[in-house]
Amino acid sequence: QVQLVQSGAEVKKPGASVRVSCKASGYSFTTCTIHWVRQAPGQRLEWMGWISAGDGNTRYSQNFQGRVTIATDTSASTAFMELSSLTSEDTAVYYCARQPALGVFDMWGQGTMVTVSS
Amino acid sequence: QTVVTQEPSLTVSPGGTVTLTCASSTGAVTSDYYPNWFQQKPGQAPRALIYSTSNKHSWTPARFSGSLLGGKAALTLSGVQPEDEAEFYCLLFCGGAWVFGGGTKLTVL
Repeated sequence: QVQLVQSGAEVKKPGASVRVSCKASGYSFTTCTIHWVRQAPGQRLEWMGWISAGDGNTRYSQNFQGRVTIATDTSASTAFMELSSLTSEDTAVYYCARQPALGVFDMWGQGTMVTVSS
Repeated sequence: QTVVTQEPSLTVSPGGTVTLTCASSTGAVTSDYYPNWFQQKPGQAPRALIYSTSNKHSWTPARFSGSLLGGKAALTLSGVQPEDEAEFYCLLFCGGAWVFGGGTKLTVL
């Protein structure tokens, strides 16, 4: 079955960077797009960006432009999201989600808690 | 930047019917916005319910349906069950980017 398994919780200091991974299984990794979404405590979901796993094309939300990088390792069927210049406002659960076709979101990762604290 | 608006909260009785809506600040929502709907319970990842306006996933209960209604995307729950109590989020494709609504907290009482 299709699964997205994310890396474990992280604690970072302000100004640092964090890298979260999302390992896919149960389907052909390069046929889908992977999105990254975050949710601060008690807040709405916030779309961060996507990567087309087949050709590596990316698109980022203006809210994160310049701070976020999304990449893949197709040999490991894994997507990565790196967020730099962290502040306390980046404390959130970060999710990856699969888009197998235009307009279709289906499976989500379990989420990765990132805490930014001095 | 596009703002997507949902009802902050709704209450429905068990067995009842309720409609949640999703509006875009740019104008009427159409099928070109590829509306998606998700259910999220406390401490859990979101679960996909509806894609591209009205299509259900294989795991989506039959009582959930999606549509376009009065220029908005809509999610209707018919025959609501106690386990449907959750936060519901819509997601729209707006000008090349994806934007979530603020979520609707559905209470079953």
